[in-house]
Amino acid sequence: NAGVTQTPKFQVLKTGQSMTLQCAQDMNHEYMSWYRQDPGMGLRLIHYSVGAGITDQGEVPNGYNVSRSTTEDFPLRLLSAAPSQTSVYFCASRRAGERTEAFFGQGTRLTVV
Amino acid sequence: DQQVKQNSPSLSVQEGRISILNCDYTNSMFDYFLWYKKYPAEGPTFLISISSIKDKNEDGRFTVFLNKSAKHLSLHIVPSQPGDSAVYFCAASARNTNAGKSTFGDGTTLTVKP
Repeated sequence: NAGVTQTPKFQVLKTGQSMTLQCAQDMNHEYMSWYRQDPGMGLRLIHYSVGAGITDQGEVPNGYNVSRSTTEDFPLRLLSAAPSQTSVYFCASRRAGERTEAFFGQGTRLTVV
Repeated sequence: DQQVKQNSPSLSVQEGRISILNCDYTNSMFDYFLWYKKYPAEGPTFLISISSIKDKNEDGRFTVFLNKSAKHLSLHIVPSQPGDSAVYFCAASARNTNAGKSTFGDGTTLTVKP
């Protein structure tokens, strides 16, 4: 059982480039989220989804787009990368409900130069 | 305004002793709290949770205490082991928020010395 799989693990982008961070889960979880973690800080929510076709903004959504065409996949798109988007990105999934824990992927370390 | 605060960035304890990690919150609507553990180059993993209807939850060596009046929770690890060395995140969520979104603290790095 793979859980939550993120690709790539590392990425270097030039300012202005676009790219998509992939996230897939095989646990049939309804909820999926993207977080970023900056040094010395906690996880901040970028976007989340409560099911296929439904997405919403989190705490820090600017510069990112998401879509959820299937239950399994939740890609995060950087439209025009900026150095401020240098961070570690985590995708998470969990069962529907208010009292469930999140399962995280291993993270994508992104550097924008 | 940070709603979940872990005021100690780091903690060092001796193997076999108790580790106590603290977390404070400001939002009185929070009613479910979780602790996650994170090793370097890995994603966080769920450790233990507590609902606001309880003041204590125990799972093996890990116990979480909740003091609602003080808006404070703590994670106790007894006895501490070197493998417990990791970053610990406190997270909180409020009833009826969309998708039960969690707000995370900045984390506490625990080092357990052999």
